Amino acid sequence: QVQLVQSGAEVKLPGSSVKVSCTASGGGPFSGHTIAWVRQAPGQGLEWMGRVIPVVGVTDYAQKFQDRVTITADSSTRTAFMEVSGLTFEDTAVYYCAKVGPFYTLSDWGQGTMVIVSS
Amino acid sequence: QSVLTQPPSVSATPGQKVTISCSGDNSNIGNNYVSWYQHLPGAVPKLLIYENDKRPSGIPVRFSASKSGTSATLAITELQTGDEGDFYCGTWDSSLRVVLFGGGTKLTVV
Repeated sequence: QVQLVQSGAEVKLPGSSVKVSCTASGGGPFSGHTIAWVRQAPGQGLEWMGRVIPVVGVTDYAQKFQDRVTITADSSTRTAFMEVSGLTFEDTAVYYCAKVGPFYTLSDWGQGTMVIVSS
Repeated sequence: QSVLTQPPSVSATPGQKVTISCSGDNSNIGNNYVSWYQHLPGAVPKLLIYENDKRPSGIPVRFSASKSGTSATLAITELQTGDEGDFYCGTWDSSLRVVLFGGGTKLTVV
């Protein structure tokens, strides 16, 4: 089992960027993990944003987030990052990182990071 | 983005059984494994079922699931008030190349 600890809540202005971190402990070498980012807007369901596969340095994104989201990983610090640029009010959400297991099972979740976009 | 269809809400009384359906197509449920997640108020989403019908360690046998064709079903027996929350199905979509989640089903135990 992997424990995932995310960075704290953020309040951002429209048009700005936010970068959320997700640090893993346990569960073997970090580079062998696939980390996904999922968000939940107020009153809405879960939404897949994208993932990073550190061992091969690959990232992919849901089409909706292709142009505004960057997901990276630093194996030396066992940390994944998710940055959203050009924030709008609709980006107000809780952002979760999760470990992707076999067959795309999201087996372990971070505690979530609240991002509020407000003027 | 959600093309997995779940009922918005279900309700039952303590001790009863409830089922939650999840409908998709051959790009997702029809050709990929389904997971189910429980999201209790104020908590983090938790894996309840993986690979269609398997329970992670620590998940009670009250929770079970199945898949048939392009649909999946979660069943919860011996309902408890502590089961109240949102439940999501999830699976890989081979065309969209994303994990899709259902819209979520709010379980009320009254």
